[in-house]
Order: sequence, then structure tokens, then C-alpha cells
Amino acid sequence: EVQLLESGGGLVQPGGSLRLSCAASGFTFSTYAMSWVRQAPGKGLEWVSPISSSGGLIYYADSVKGRFTISRDNSKNMVYLQMSSLRAEDTALYYCAKGGYSYGVIDHWGQGTLVTVSS
Amino acid sequence: EIVLTQSPVTLSLSPGERATLSCRASQSVSSFLAWYQQKPGQAPRLLIYDASNRATGIAARFSGSGSGTDFTLTISSLEPEDFAVYYCQQRSSWPWTFGQGTKVETK
Repeated sequence: EVQLLESGGGLVQPGGSLRLSCAASGFTFSTYAMSWVRQAPGKGLEWVSPISSSGGLIYYADSVKGRFTISRDNSKNMVYLQMSSLRAEDTALYYCAKGGYSYGVIDHWGQGTLVTVSS
Repeated sequence: EIVLTQSPVTLSLSPGERATLSCRASQSVSSFLAWYQQKPGQAPRLLIYDASNRATGIAARFSGSGSGTDFTLTISSLEPEDFAVYYCQQRSSWPWTFGQGTKVETK
């Protein structure tokens, strides 16, 4: 059974930093793309950043480019999102997500970790 | 950025009825469109990928169609567990984008 367990969310002041982690299990981690997708309270979904299976292909949403960095450790079955210069508009539930079928399709989602940016 | 517009915003139906949800793209996405279902307090769940392919474990009452700019998700006969928000999503070009969602609610 695929499991994605996010951690690292919390309350942070504007301008602060936070590192989200996602522990994956139940599949051959190194062969699948992974992503972070966020959902602001009561709002829709925004794809923040995907990373290919090898880590060689990465994209960022314009809203986070230059502030967020995605990475993965295939030896530990982990994916990370380093977030800096956080803004109020980054407040959201951040989902770790597993790619499937094709790059750009998510076939499994974690339960999310909440990031709140507020003074 | 490709904008996906879903209609209607809210669909009020009764169990057993047919639901037809629409997703229109601001430019062609070929068949690179997926549909997800999200229930309150839960993560989304993949229903359909590449316009018409059901994901593993998805009931046959869910079907997808379309190509280019116009897509449809059909639920042939609504079950009580199908009342939720549905999102379309394109992977034709980065940034991959989601529609704003259609809420299927009980009439």
C-alpha cells in the first residue's frame, strides 16, 4: 500500500523559512516522479513543484520560484520542500503526491501538512 | 499558462441521476487532462487520466471524454459517496494547472 507521510508544517512568521518532508513507502520510490501541491483554506489546488524520478527535471510555479526548492533522497525514500521568504499567501495545506501513469498525473496523495504564515 | 474553466460551479442532483461536468481549456491540451475527486477533509483522488482512462480501482460509472479544449466527466448514476468536489487538471505544458472545481451536491 502506497503511503505518503508529510511533516514539517506549522506556524511561521512572514519572511521565515520552513522545510517540509515526505516519507514514502509501499512502492519503488526511485522510479516515480514526486510533487508538492498546495491548497489554500477553502480554495482550489495549485501545483507547486514536481521532481522527476532521478531529480534531473524540476519545475516550479511562478508564485514560488526563487523561494522554494524541491529535492529528493532516493536512498531514504524522502522528498523535501525547502521554503524561504514565506508570505501570507503561502498559507495552505501542502500535499506530497506521487506521480503515476505519466509525468504530470498524480495517482496517490498524502494527507497534507498545514503551513500558516502569519505574524 | 493554460487556464481551465469548469462548469457548472455547483451541480445539484439526486442519487441515481446522471452528472455531467465540463472542463474547458484556454488552449489545446490534446488529451493530457485528468479528473480528481475531493471530499471534505480528504486529499484528492485520481479518477481519470489522459481524458478517458479510468485510474486503478475507479468505478465504471465514472467516464471521461474529450480532446483539445473541451472535456467532460460523466457519472452515469450518482451514488451517495459521489457527492464531492471535482477538479480537472492539465499536464500539456508547465505550469500544470487545475480548474476551479465543480461541487456536486445533493438536491
